[in-house]
Amino acid sequence: DAGVTQSPTHLIKTRGQQVTLRCSPKSGHDTVSWYQQALGQGPQFIFQYYEEEERQRGNFPDRFSGHQFPNYSSELNVNALLLGDSALYLCASSRPVDLAVAKNIQYFGAGTRLSVL
Amino acid sequence: AQRVTQPEKLLSVFKGAPVELKCNYSYSGSPELFWYVQYSRQRLQLLLRHISRESIKGFTADLNKGETSFHLKKPFAQEEDSAMYYCALSGKSGAGSYQLTFGKGTKLSVIP
Repeated sequence: DAGVTQSPTHLIKTRGQQVTLRCSPKSGHDTVSWYQQALGQGPQFIFQYYEEEERQRGNFPDRFSGHQFPNYSSELNVNALLLGDSALYLCASSRPVDLAVAKNIQYFGAGTRLSVL
Repeated sequence: AQRVTQPEKLLSVFKGAPVELKCNYSYSGSPELFWYVQYSRQRLQLLLRHISRESIKGFTADLNKGETSFHLKKPFAQEEDSAMYYCALSGKSGAGSYQLTFGKGTKLSVIP
C-alpha cells in the first residue's frame, strides 16, 4: 500500500490563475480531508469529503472547492490565486467513521507545495 | 470554537535529558487529542492519541481536562527525536465529521 499519494509535488502559478491538486487515499479509506499549511504554521483544515460530498468546511473562501470521485480520490481546486495561497497543501485520508476504535486516525500525504508568484 | 496552543516554537534539550512539549486546548465538549510528528523530509504522521493511553517511542501524553492540557513527555531524549511536533484536537461537528485543529507546532532539537 503506497499510502496517501498527492500530485504534483510542486507547482508554480501566477496570481489570478487556477490550480487543481490531486489526492489518492490510503487503501480502504473513504474519507478525504484537505489542509493548508503556511510556512511556520500548523495545518489548517479546508474541507472534508465523504461519499462524494463536502461534509465539513473550514474558514476558507469559495475560491477553494473540491471534489471526490467514486473511487474515493479527491481534487482540490483553487481559483483566482492570491500570493497568500502559497503554502503546502496536505491531503489526509481516514477509515469509515463508524469504526469506533480508529474513527479519526488521519493519514497524511507528503503534500503539494504551491508557489504563487 | 476549538483551538490548540503550543507555546514553544523551539525546544532544545541535551541527549538524555527529559522532554516536555506543552499543549493546551480550548473546546466545549469531549475532544480527542493527538500528537503528530514530522521528521526531516518525511510526511506528517501520528505519534499517539489520548484515547489509546499508550507509549510510542518512549513518549507519553496525558489528557488533563481540568487544565485543558495534553503535554507530551519523554524521560530521556534521543537524537532521533529531533523533529517538528504538532498537537491536534478533533471534535465531532454537527455534520458528523472529525476535522483536526492543529497547533502551530514545536520544533524539538536534541543536542548530542
